[in-house]
Amino acid sequence: GESVGLHLPTLSVQEGDNSIINCAYSNSASDYFIWYKQESGKGPQFIIDIRSNMDKRQGQRVTVLLNKTVKHLSLQIAATQPGDSAVYFCAESPDTGRRALTFGSGTRLQVQP
Amino acid sequence: DVKVTQSSRYLVKRTGEKVFLECVQDMDHENMFWYRQDPGLGLRLIYFSYDVKMKEKGDIPEGYSVSREKKERFSLILESASTNQTSMYLCASSPSGSIDEQYFGPGTRLTVT
Repeated sequence: GESVGLHLPTLSVQEGDNSIINCAYSNSASDYFIWYKQESGKGPQFIIDIRSNMDKRQGQRVTVLLNKTVKHLSLQIAATQPGDSAVYFCAESPDTGRRALTFGSGTRLQVQP
Repeated sequence: DVKVTQSSRYLVKRTGEKVFLECVQDMDHENMFWYRQDPGLGLRLIYFSYDVKMKEKGDIPEGYSVSREKKERFSLILESASTNQTSMYLCASSPSGSIDEQYFGPGTRLTVT
């Protein structure tokens, strides 16, 4: 899951297993959430997004779940592959009129062969 | 494909120097953003712009300024670089006036000595 501070939480999974990365967000008024993947030496890349009027959205091998009651977001990756190894960030848009995202501190996913 | 480019991948500057980081996007996006990324802290918003000549402060604007003279270009300026500004700087753009997926550049790793 997400954490504050200098140590990046790490999730280690076996190739072929499913991965679940968790994120707790802070603003109950946020209405847009997004997951990014960042590989070493690259900028973040979009994975999937979800708006607050939904509680689940599926993409190719990925699913995002949103629980507004407890302000929790999760990213599920099916049949994890070595190429999924990266740092994953969740982000939210606070409902203040700002057109900007607030990012979590990230989770490192390590896929063991 | 959307392309966001940053003028340098690596930059080394001395304390007190004025530093310009350039970002260009080729998809006619209205919104552009500058973030810095530090280990364990995720991405923190420095400044953003939702139109030419418009700018808004993000969460950590101190020590930085920006310029948006043309729609496709958004510059980050460090007026007098300091060692605590050593970081990875990421530029992003998004296509509309509302919250939407942001597209990131590859980043500039700035070292201030």
